[in-house]
Amino acid sequence: KAGVTQTPRYLIKTRGQQVTLSCSPISGHRSVSWYQQTPGQGLQFLFEYFSETQRNKGNFPGRFSGRQFSNSRSEMNVSTLELGDSALYLCASSLGGFASLANEKLFFGSGTQLSVL
Amino acid sequence: SQQGEEDPQALSIQEGENATMNCSYKTSINNLQWYRQNSGRGLVHLILIRSNEREKHSGRLRVTLDTSKKSSSLLITASRAADTASYFCATDEGKLVFGQGTRLTINP
Repeated sequence: KAGVTQTPRYLIKTRGQQVTLSCSPISGHRSVSWYQQTPGQGLQFLFEYFSETQRNKGNFPGRFSGRQFSNSRSEMNVSTLELGDSALYLCASSLGGFASLANEKLFFGSGTQLSVL
Repeated sequence: SQQGEEDPQALSIQEGENATMNCSYKTSINNLQWYRQNSGRGLVHLILIRSNEREKHSGRLRVTLDTSKKSSSLLITASRAADTASYFCATDEGKLVFGQGTRLTINP
């Protein structure tokens, strides 16, 4: 069974641009959550989706958005990029529990390393 | 906000020794998880422990949970070079909140 796939693996953008990251969950998994990881702030929750509906959202500005498709694949978008958005963006999938409740094992992708210049 | 805080931030030991990492949190939790991350990669789930459990084992891993002290510990016995990684605890606070992690280095 294939794992969680995130594309692209690396991305370089300039300030003001926008970016879209993609995440394909493990087959059969319906819940997808996104995290931002930086050396200064560590791992921070962005949002969580289940059956195309956003179930929970972290404390990030509206420039960060996401969506989930009917096949459970998910995308996140960051508009008007800032230098501080440089980070490793991780996606995780699970069968269907609430990632927020920490009651189910999460399977993580390898992440997308975003550099904003 | 960071719910789980790991201690120590970094730990370096010799292969074969045991490694202990601690996690403290601030509010009541229902579940606590431990994850491992190799440099620049995704996280790998290690153990989930529920608030009504005190101890859990998985191979060379032993996790304890003390809800009265709001703390958990992860013990890795007979460490190997492949255990070199960062270890994170994660707790439920309306959303999954990760600690800052412990960087573990196993020296051959």
